[in-house]
Amino acid sequence: AQTVTQSQPEMSVQEAETVTLSCTYDTSESDYYLFWYKQPPSRQMILVIRQEAYKQQNATENRFSVNFQKAAKSFSLKISDSQLGDAAMYFCAFIQGAQKLVFGQGTRLTINP
Amino acid sequence: DVKVTQSSRYLVKRTGEKVFLECVQDMDHENMFWYRQDPGLGLRLIYFSYDVKMKEKGDIPEGYSVSREKKERFSLILESASTNQTSMYLCASCSGGSPQFNYGYTFGSGTRLTVV
Repeated sequence: AQTVTQSQPEMSVQEAETVTLSCTYDTSESDYYLFWYKQPPSRQMILVIRQEAYKQQNATENRFSVNFQKAAKSFSLKISDSQLGDAAMYFCAFIQGAQKLVFGQGTRLTINP
Repeated sequence: DVKVTQSSRYLVKRTGEKVFLECVQDMDHENMFWYRQDPGLGLRLIYFSYDVKMKEKGDIPEGYSVSREKKERFSLILESASTNQTSMYLCASCSGGSPQFNYGYTFGSGTRLTVV
């Protein structure tokens, strides 16, 4: 069974600085997709970024980028120029084929002004 | 703007009550899901449905059932609510088939259920 592990329950960063959230996963498959979701206090889950496992190039979305290390089964999220609106729970998630999304435990990110 | 709507944002029920959590999506999605979110455990899948009148157990189905009589509506039922079912419940949906399936899900805003 696939598993996703986020080893940092909480992280904090100063506004305008860079922070990296860690995620590792376990699978025997070679074709799959990885996601980072953001859940602000409003509770609405928002898709931040998506990575296809067959692509070696790391995905980027404005200030958000990932470091995808397929051999190490690692998928970290880097947030550059952190803003107060980035404060949220962040979930790493994995999906393979037509299977269900599997989520990590979440990391609560605090932005210090 | 596409939407997944959960009927209640907060709900308080008594132990032993039968509880219905409703979810409606307006995107004509084939697939719908119910997750439970608890601190330190992330989101865990309770049940999902790939089509009308079809359901599959997720990772933690015990104490729950579901109903999908129409494509747009997926209901989660707590047959006899217990205090250990106090949690946040999230509904989600997505299109069927690859690659749409692998663009992730659209989520509702959650129902925070307290069982007393």
